[in-house]
Amino acid sequence: DIQMTQSPSSLSASVGDRITITCRASQSITSYLNWYQQRPGKAPKLLIYAASSLQSGVPSRFSGSGSGTDFTLTISSLQPEDFATYYCQQGYSVPRTFGQGTKVEIK
Amino acid sequence: QVQLVQSGAEVKKPGASVKVSCKASGYTFSNYAFVWVRQAPGHGLEWMGWISAYSGDTNYAQKVQGRVTMTTDTSTSTAYMELRSLTSDDTAVYYCARQLNQGAAYDYWGQGTLVTVSS
Repeated sequence: DIQMTQSPSSLSASVGDRITITCRASQSITSYLNWYQQRPGKAPKLLIYAASSLQSGVPSRFSGSGSGTDFTLTISSLQPEDFATYYCQQGYSVPRTFGQGTKVEIK
Repeated sequence: QVQLVQSGAEVKKPGASVKVSCKASGYTFSNYAFVWVRQAPGHGLEWMGWISAYSGDTNYAQKVQGRVTMTTDTSTSTAYMELRSLTSDDTAVYYCARQLNQGAAYDYWGQGTLVTVSS
């Protein structure tokens, strides 16, 4: 199975901050990397697919980059509604593993 | 608009089975695959498996292989996930989601179904 490791596990930030979350795969997954946002008590929401493609309706402050084994999710200017947990997920091979999550909290 | 509506919460005893449904609307059902993902309380997301709504082909995670069956009913646009021989470790919120062809991303999700396994 491909292991997905996110860092950091949690971070504290302020509204307006730029933040970056990293996801590393245990082997190359080319660009088969997706990012999700999950607010408490809600289903995950797709933000980015294929490493860098913005899902329809997702604000442009979210962006993704990377290929191979190293990927990043960047939020350019954190908004109050962005405080949530973020997960990466590889779509390269089954089982489709998720990272352990990064919780973004208000400083 | 695309919607996935799941069945309600369940409480089961250890050793029992549970079957969760996921009714789709707003798109052509057989054009997409479904995945099932679960989330134990306070934990992350765990991929359980995948089913093609077109062919019925499946692929299950090793952790639940042998205990899980995923099916679809194209006449009602509904996907099902049955999990047998439940233990307390199966207590979780179970989500269905629609799989995009691009990169196996999951673009629409059900609201989740809480399954509690307790004696």
